Amino acid sequence: EAGVVQSPRYKIIEKKQPVAFWCNPISGHNTLYWYLQNLGQGPELLIRYENEEAVDDSQLPKDRFSAERLKGVDSTLKIQPAELGDSAVYLCASSFESRPPNEQFFGPGTRLTVL
Amino acid sequence: RKEVEQDPGPFNVPEGATVAFNCTYSNSASQSFFWYRQDCRKEPKLLMSVYSSGNEDGRFTAQLNRASQYISLLIRDSKLSDSATYLCVVNTNAGKSTFGDGTTLTVKP
Repeated sequence: EAGVVQSPRYKIIEKKQPVAFWCNPISGHNTLYWYLQNLGQGPELLIRYENEEAVDDSQLPKDRFSAERLKGVDSTLKIQPAELGDSAVYLCASSFESRPPNEQFFGPGTRLTVL
Repeated sequence: RKEVEQDPGPFNVPEGATVAFNCTYSNSASQSFFWYRQDCRKEPKLLMSVYSSGNEDGRFTAQLNRASQYISLLIRDSKLSDSATYLCVVNTNAGKSTFGDGTTLTVKP
């Protein structure tokens, strides 16, 4: 069974440029998460979807970040414009549902460098 | 104060040692608990769930203390391959997940 797929794996952009990340969750998983991880820290939730509905986007910086999961399957996270402080690893995870026990399975992440 | 706190370490132990990590959480509404393992420049991978009665998987034992709001992970007979960062994650019944910042373990020959 395929795991969570993310692309691209690496992205280097100039500040103020836009960037987009794509995630395809494990088949049958209704819940999809986007996390940001800085070096030496744990993943921090940006947004959680249940099917196509964003049920928790309280930590998403909405002035520059947006996300969508139009058909309740794959998802795109966008940053426009990117800032130097956005350099981090962006992780996508999925789980069968969001109620406990909700084990999450992670994709390999996209490592973003903003110059 | 963070919602989920872990001792960052690093823990440097010899092969064969027993090592224990603790993780404390502040949200009393937390319902499910996990330990993840993260290797350098890789994604977190689920290591084990943590049940109220405690659970064991080979050399790994996880325990939950709801009264004191902490979970623990015990690794017996450490192997070189156990070197990694161990993250605890705490979930509420509403599906909110909070990760700790991880504890780094280095097992040396």
